[in-house]
Amino acid sequence: KQEVTQIPAALSVPEGENLVLNCSFTDSAIYNLQWFRQDPGKGLTSLLLIQSSQREQTSGRLNASLDKSSGRSTLYIAASQPGDSATYLCAVSGGSQGNLIFGKGTKLSVKP
Amino acid sequence: DGGITQSPKYLFRKEGQNVTLSCEQNLNHDAMYWYRQDPGQGLRLIYYSQIVNDFQKGDIAEGYSVSREKKESFPLTVTSAQKNPTAFYLCASSMADIYLNTEAFFGQGTRLTVV
Repeated sequence: KQEVTQIPAALSVPEGENLVLNCSFTDSAIYNLQWFRQDPGKGLTSLLLIQSSQREQTSGRLNASLDKSSGRSTLYIAASQPGDSATYLCAVSGGSQGNLIFGKGTKLSVKP
Repeated sequence: DGGITQSPKYLFRKEGQNVTLSCEQNLNHDAMYWYRQDPGQGLRLIYYSQIVNDFQKGDIAEGYSVSREKKESFPLTVTSAQKNPTAFYLCASSMADIYLNTEAFFGQGTRLTVV
């Protein structure tokens, strides 16, 4: 059964710092991996989608990498801002259902 | 303005009562999903539908029911059989073919509380 783990569970950094969020999964047979952002009491906002054949995707200050063979993905946030404060969720798509399987998230706090 | 609309934003249920959560999308997506989110846990799949008039149970379907009569709509009913329904419920949609590696989009959620 696919399991997704995100480390750390919480992270606090000063504004302007570059940071990395980690995601690992146990079954490398995935179709894609998606990173989401969730603000308190809100739904999920899609940040980046990496297909299984890709190594990385970039959007603005965000860069996500995927290493299927080792079951790992990282989300790199450059020059962090207080507005980046949120919970970041990693999810993989695979298996017979094709639905997303989620990690528990990393709660990021960027201090001004 | 394309997207997924969930309503209501907040819902209160009395013991023994059935309630229905609405999910509508105008993205022309074939697949729709319902997830439940509890504090300290990841999102868990309740039901999903890849096509109109067809749906499948997810990991925690007991105490829930769904229908998919229209492509745009995928309502979730929380029945009295669901013993611990207090949670945040999220609806999502995507293109149906999982092999297309398509992106999933989510609504803003419904917070259900038992009173």
